[in-house]
Amino acid sequence: RKEVEQDPGPFNVPEGATVAFNCTYSNSASQSFFWYRQDCRKEPKLLMSVYSSGNEDGRFTAQLNRASQYISLLIRDSKLSDSATYLCAVIPPGSARQLTFGSGTQLTVLP
Amino acid sequence: DGGITQSPKYLFRKEGQNVTLSCEQNLNHDAMYWYRQDPGQGLRLIYYSQIVNDFQKGDIAEGYSVSREKKESFPLTVTSAQKNPTAFYLCASYDGATNEKLFFGSGTQLSVL
Repeated sequence: RKEVEQDPGPFNVPEGATVAFNCTYSNSASQSFFWYRQDCRKEPKLLMSVYSSGNEDGRFTAQLNRASQYISLLIRDSKLSDSATYLCAVIPPGSARQLTFGSGTQLTVLP
Repeated sequence: DGGITQSPKYLFRKEGQNVTLSCEQNLNHDAMYWYRQDPGQGLRLIYYSQIVNDFQKGDIAEGYSVSREKKESFPLTVTSAQKNPTAFYLCASYDGATNEKLFFGSGTQLSVL
């Protein structure tokens, strides 16, 4: 089983739609979780950290479910500019802080 | 402005040739990382360094080598032993003192001629 798994998509949604991605992780002792956004052939950019209590940043909401070992990202009112690949990342315990990434979920928002 | 600079942006390698990818940061970060990304895939860790003159293998270190002689610099050499080097290579550094954010360079696309 991979350490971090994501549904690769692609997700094609109309503008204004709400879309949600999940990401599962295998090590239950993992402590730090993140969502990154990556545009084609660019470096990933941190979208948001994921906190135990859940957190929101504008149209984006991230949640952590420790019991089921997954994190989620919800995007409301999708914009064309949200089209990108979304990568989840986890810092497993004892890993010297290096991130383990999922393979990414590709989102295309259609006009 | 502080940041990470990777060069070159595009690099072509001939069969049997070693090539070196540059990564320089002026963020005063101790930890630096090299990741490889294949099309439609996530990032896989090649090597990382937590301090000058020390580095550790990641998940896919075979066919690669690194050095960390200076805090600012973490070059990656793709050796001839790496039989499938075509990929997008990303360098990153980490500031563990103030936050958990990983800073990425803009990447190098390596292709085999």
